[in-house]
Amino acid sequence: EIVMTQSPLSLTVTPGEPASISCRSSQSLLHSNGKIFFDWYVQKPGQSPQLLISLGSSRASGVPDRFSGTESGTDFTLKISRVEAEDVGVYYCMQGLQTPYTFGQGTKLEIK
Amino acid sequence: EVQLVQSGGGLVQPGGSLRLSCAASGFSFRSYWFHWVRQAPGEGPVWVSRVDNDGTTTDYADSVRGRFTISRDNARNTLYLQMNSLRAEDTALYYCGRDLAGVGAFWGPGSLVTVSS
Repeated sequence: EIVMTQSPLSLTVTPGEPASISCRSSQSLLHSNGKIFFDWYVQKPGQSPQLLISLGSSRASGVPDRFSGTESGTDFTLKISRVEAEDVGVYYCMQGLQTPYTFGQGTKLEIK
Repeated sequence: EVQLVQSGGGLVQPGGSLRLSCAASGFSFRSYWFHWVRQAPGEGPVWVSRVDNDGTTTDYADSVRGRFTISRDNARNTLYLQMNSLRAEDTALYYCGRDLAGVGAFWGPGSLVTVSS
């Protein structure tokens, strides 16, 4: 089973300031088809998870461009260039390369 | 508009059974793989099962294999999860999800399953 390790587990950010969340996978998520099966999700209070970034760095439809995802080998980073109040929630990384799909522990983002 | 409408959750005694449903609309249901993911109160999501486009290939988490069965009816645009021999540790909010590892990922609102005597 691929293990996903996120950090930090909690983050408090002032509106307008940047934020960064890291995730490391225990093995490469590169498929033989050249795609990287790694996603970032956000779960806002009382809602189901919503896709932010897919395939390592592709922003999902409707996601503001202040969200970006990068990857370097087995290290992945989600960056929010300027945090807004609506960004509060728990952010999860997920690998979909092989079953069982696995999630990181989650990073709780709060606004200062 | 893409919609996943879930039903079938509830309270069941240990050892009992439930069937969850997930009705899709607003897109070509048969074009996607589908998944079930569960989330216990205060915990992160945990993947449960997946099924391919035509229902012939299925995968399960070790914790549910042999007790849960995923299936789909492409004529009714509906995904199912039959859950048997339920245990207290199966208590969770169960989400159906479309194409979880792809650009079309979309989750349903969840169905609460509570296993308790």
